[in-house]
Amino acid sequence: KAGVTQTPRYLIKTRGQQVTLSCSPISGHRSVSWYQQTPGQGLQFLFEYFSETQRNKGNFPGRFSGRQFSNSRSEMNVSTLELGDSALYLCASSFGTGVYEQYFGPGTRLTVT
Amino acid sequence: SQQGEEDPQALSIQEGENATMNCSYKTSINNLQWYRQNSGRGLVHLILIRSNEREKHSGRLRVTLDTSKKSSSLLITASRAADTASYFCATASGPPGGAGSYQLTFGKGTKLSVIP
Repeated sequence: KAGVTQTPRYLIKTRGQQVTLSCSPISGHRSVSWYQQTPGQGLQFLFEYFSETQRNKGNFPGRFSGRQFSNSRSEMNVSTLELGDSALYLCASSFGTGVYEQYFGPGTRLTVT
Repeated sequence: SQQGEEDPQALSIQEGENATMNCSYKTSINNLQWYRQNSGRGLVHLILIRSNEREKHSGRLRVTLDTSKKSSSLLITASRAADTASYFCATASGPPGGAGSYQLTFGKGTKLSVIP
């Protein structure tokens, strides 16, 4: 099976812009989770989608949003980018929610200048 | 907020030695998982241990879970240079009331260096 793919792999944006990141899960997986990884805060949970519904949300401002399509592909959007949004954004897919192991994509490295 | 806390933060050993990493957490869990991350890349799932299990093995990996102490350990035996990576524990906790989805919460990781 093909692994989790994320596009783009690298992105440079300026403050105030918005960005959309994409994630294609492993075939058959219906749960997609998003994480932000920074050197200071580590891996932080953003949100999880299962069958097109947001099932869980981390402690992030409303500028961070996401959605999931009927084919389980997911996108996350960050509006009004801030310097502190520079991070590695990781997407993970799993068969179900939480109680299953997650399979991670390679991540999107976002740099905000 | 971090649920799992790994210890030590960094570990440097010689090839062939064993490496032990510990993880402590605060609330009740459904399961605990260990992941590996090579520099700046995605995480790779290593092993999942459920709250009613005490020990699990996978190849050179051995994981223990002590729910009374809210702690887990990951042992890598006969380490290799290719084991150099950051290792994270992640706890899966359910929402209040038990219904709905579980959230996976990661610790800050242990950076393991295996010297050839």
